[in-house]
Amino acid sequence: QSVLTQPPSASGTPGQRVTISCSGSSSNIGSNFVYWYQQLPGTAPKLLIYRNNQRPSGVPDRFSGSKSGTSASLAISGLRSEDEADYYCAAWDDSLSGVVFGGGTKLTVL
Amino acid sequence: QMQLVESGGGVVQPGRSLRLSCAASGFTFSSYDIHWVRQAPGKGLEWVAVISSDGSIKYYADSVKGRFTISRDNSKNTLYLQMNSLRAEDTAVYYCAKAGDAYAFDLWGQGTMVTVSS
Repeated sequence: QSVLTQPPSASGTPGQRVTISCSGSSSNIGSNFVYWYQQLPGTAPKLLIYRNNQRPSGVPDRFSGSKSGTSASLAISGLRSEDEADYYCAAWDDSLSGVVFGGGTKLTVL
Repeated sequence: QMQLVESGGGVVQPGRSLRLSCAASGFTFSSYDIHWVRQAPGKGLEWVAVISSDGSIKYYADSVKGRFTISRDNSKNTLYLQMNSLRAEDTAVYYCAKAGDAYAFDLWGQGTMVTVSS
């Protein structure tokens, strides 16, 4: 049982917009930044979004993040086949004094 | 280019110990907090531990507290994870990750597999 809650799966067709949610609490998302990672099959995770909505250089602007209260979301617009991957949200948790991850969302591009 | 390379994984019996290493290159290792994150086969990411840039501050996940010890040698640009009293549930790929901005893991290693089995 992960501290942050994500839907286990999501799907969309090429060109569509997909949103992945991440729900937490006041001790993590509610008081700290949210991060998003993309993990392609058989590879290490890659930072996609930091500080709730900032993109590292090289990450396409099709990826965007937002946060409201104790929830956050990742939006992917103009869906492409290469976006098929697992996506994880993460945040520091003040109560646990550690980083907590969501359980991950497997995105399928139909 | 910036790189993290883990080593030291393998098959170990329950109750035994193992030490993982993470060699850094291409950036000023001593300026960054470094984390260990693991992923059990077919499962999601689980944070394990963090050590501050100067090694003075360490935090651990409850699941490993008292059994694992994170350390670093800034003169050798290397991070370590000493794992004692290993359990079957510690079986996972272990990644080291650089925290570039607060808890943004902007550089990951390729991972090293640890299998705890009799």
